[in-house]
Amino acid sequence: EAGVVQSPRYKIIEKKQPVAFWCNPISGHNTLYWYLQNLGQGPELLIRYENEEAVDDSQLPKDRFSAERLKGVDSTLKIQPAELGDSAVYLCASSFGAGPSKQFFGPGTRLTVL
Amino acid sequence: DAKTTQPPSMDCAEGRAANLPCNHSTISGNEYVYWYRQIHSQGPQYIIHGLKNNETNEMASLIITEDRKSSTLILPHATLRDTAVYYCIVRDNTDKLIFGTGTRLQVFP
Repeated sequence: EAGVVQSPRYKIIEKKQPVAFWCNPISGHNTLYWYLQNLGQGPELLIRYENEEAVDDSQLPKDRFSAERLKGVDSTLKIQPAELGDSAVYLCASSFGAGPSKQFFGPGTRLTVL
Repeated sequence: DAKTTQPPSMDCAEGRAANLPCNHSTISGNEYVYWYRQIHSQGPQYIIHGLKNNETNEMASLIITEDRKSSTLILPHATLRDTAVYYCIVRDNTDKLIFGTGTRLQVFP
């Protein structure tokens, strides 16, 4: 069974440029998460979707970050414009159902903003 | 805020048991203890979870004290591939995982 797929794996951009990350969750998983991981820290939740609905986006910096999951499957996370401090790994995870279910993580996208 | 305390790093010899402690003194009755690990350049990987009873699966064992204020993750025969950061997470019945900084386990030959 394929795991969570993310692309690109690495992205280098200059500050003020836009960037987008893509995630394809495990088939059948209705819950999708985006996490941010700074160097030496654990992942921090940015947004959680149940199907198409963003049910927890309290930690998403909405002035520059946006996310969508239009058909309840794939998701895109966008930053516009990127800042130097956005350099981090962006992780996508998925799970089946709500509640205390296992989350399966993708390999992440490492973003470097110059 | 993460509700757990873990040592920042540990070493273990290959083939020996790795015992990773976690303190969660403020855990409440409906909160589970979860363990994930993150190998370098990969996303976190689920290991095991428990509520009150000890648990065992193909990867590890989880020992939870009777008062549930602490737990230990046991890797019975550590290999070099077990070198990773191990996160202990206390989680309620929502979907939210709050990661701390974890324990960096180094398995040496």
